[in-house]
Amino acid sequence: NAGVTQTPKFQVLKTGQSMTLQCAQDMNHNSMYWYRQDPGMGLRLIYYSASEGTTDKGEVPNGYNVSRLNKREFSLRLESAAPSQTSVYFCASSVGDGQETQYFGPGTRLLVL
Amino acid sequence: SQKIEQNSEALNIQEGKTATLTCNYTNYSPAYLQWYRQDPGRGPVFLLLIRENEKEKRKERLKVTFDTTLKQSLFHITASQPADSATYLCALDPSSGTYKYIFGTGTRLKVLA
Repeated sequence: NAGVTQTPKFQVLKTGQSMTLQCAQDMNHNSMYWYRQDPGMGLRLIYYSASEGTTDKGEVPNGYNVSRLNKREFSLRLESAAPSQTSVYFCASSVGDGQETQYFGPGTRLLVL
Repeated sequence: SQKIEQNSEALNIQEGKTATLTCNYTNYSPAYLQWYRQDPGRGPVFLLLIRENEKEKRKERLKVTFDTTLKQSLFHITASQPADSATYLCALDPSSGTYKYIFGTGTRLKVLA
């Protein structure tokens, strides 16, 4: 099993460009999450999907959209990137039935110029 | 304002000693609290989960305590090794079942040989 995979690993964008970060898990988990991690701020939840077909906002959703494409895949879209969105983005998944161990992907490093 | 507090300063200890990391939270009544390990350039990896009705949880050289009155969790690594050097994060679901996990900023541990 690959666990949680994320693409791309690294991306440089110019202000105003758009991009989609991809995440997939092969553990048959119900719940999936997107976090960003900034120095001194810790991991902050952007959006989550408790189960297939549902999504909800986390702590810092502004400037992002998500799509739970199917049970395996959960994508994060930046419609118009801003320098403040420079960060490391982590996708995670969990079983979603009260066993809330989260399994994280390797991260995507995004630089917005 | 910081909702979960972890010692932001790095903790340096000598090999073989016990490392103790602290996680304090306010204004929440979590049903459980989790600890994760994060190595540089990688996603967090789950270590332990402790529930509100559990005072202590152990796994090999790791021990976690959870005091819901003090709103504090302590994470201990006994007989520490240089390979234990990493950043350790605590996390909680502020209101059980919301999926809106909150992470501390983490404490960087360095075990000196």
